[in-house]
Amino acid sequence: DIQMTQSPSTLSASVGDRVTIPCRASQSISSSLAWYQQKPGKAPNLLIYKASFLESGVPSRFSGSGSGTEFTLTISSLQPDDFATYYCQQFNSYPYTFGQGTKLEIK
Amino acid sequence: QLQLQESGPGLVKPSDTLSLTCTVSGGSISSSTHYWGWIRQPPGEGLEWIGHIYYSGTTYYNPSLKSRVTISVDTSKNQFSLRLSSVAAADTAMYYCARHGVYFPFDYWAQGTLVTVSS
Repeated sequence: DIQMTQSPSTLSASVGDRVTIPCRASQSISSSLAWYQQKPGKAPNLLIYKASFLESGVPSRFSGSGSGTEFTLTISSLQPDDFATYYCQQFNSYPYTFGQGTKLEIK
Repeated sequence: QLQLQESGPGLVKPSDTLSLTCTVSGGSISSSTHYWGWIRQPPGEGLEWIGHIYYSGTTYYNPSLKSRVTISVDTSKNQFSLRLSSVAAADTAMYYCARHGVYFPFDYWAQGTLVTVSS
């Protein structure tokens, strides 16, 4: 199985900050990576697919980059609604696997 | 607008079989470009992909659960289902059904249903 690693598990930031959330794959997954945002009691919501493509309806302050084994989700200017948990997921090969998540907290 | 909705018991006894159904509305489960999957999330933990099914009945399961999982589809009802046998407390989780495309991630999710394994 491909292991997806997200570190740190918790990140503290303030409204207006630029934030980067890293994700690492245990082997190359090309650009077969997605990012999701999950709020308490809700299902995950797709933000980014194929590492850098913004899902329809997602604010442009979200962006993704990377390929191979190193990926990053960037939020250019944090808004109050962005405090949530973020997961990366590889869909390069079975079984699909998720990172353990990075919780973005208010500083 | 595509919508997915899970249904099934919220409480299952240890060693019994967990059964959930996902009903798809606003679109056809017989799409040739999509798979229909199950993902679970234990309380306070991360996400685990369980498996998926294509409208033709082709399935793929997570090897970690493969011996206990069956996913089936009923195209006439626009539904697909999950059965997980011999459950234990570790199977207590929020269970989500979701859609994903070929080489594309999960773009539509149901709201999730909490299944607790307890006697």
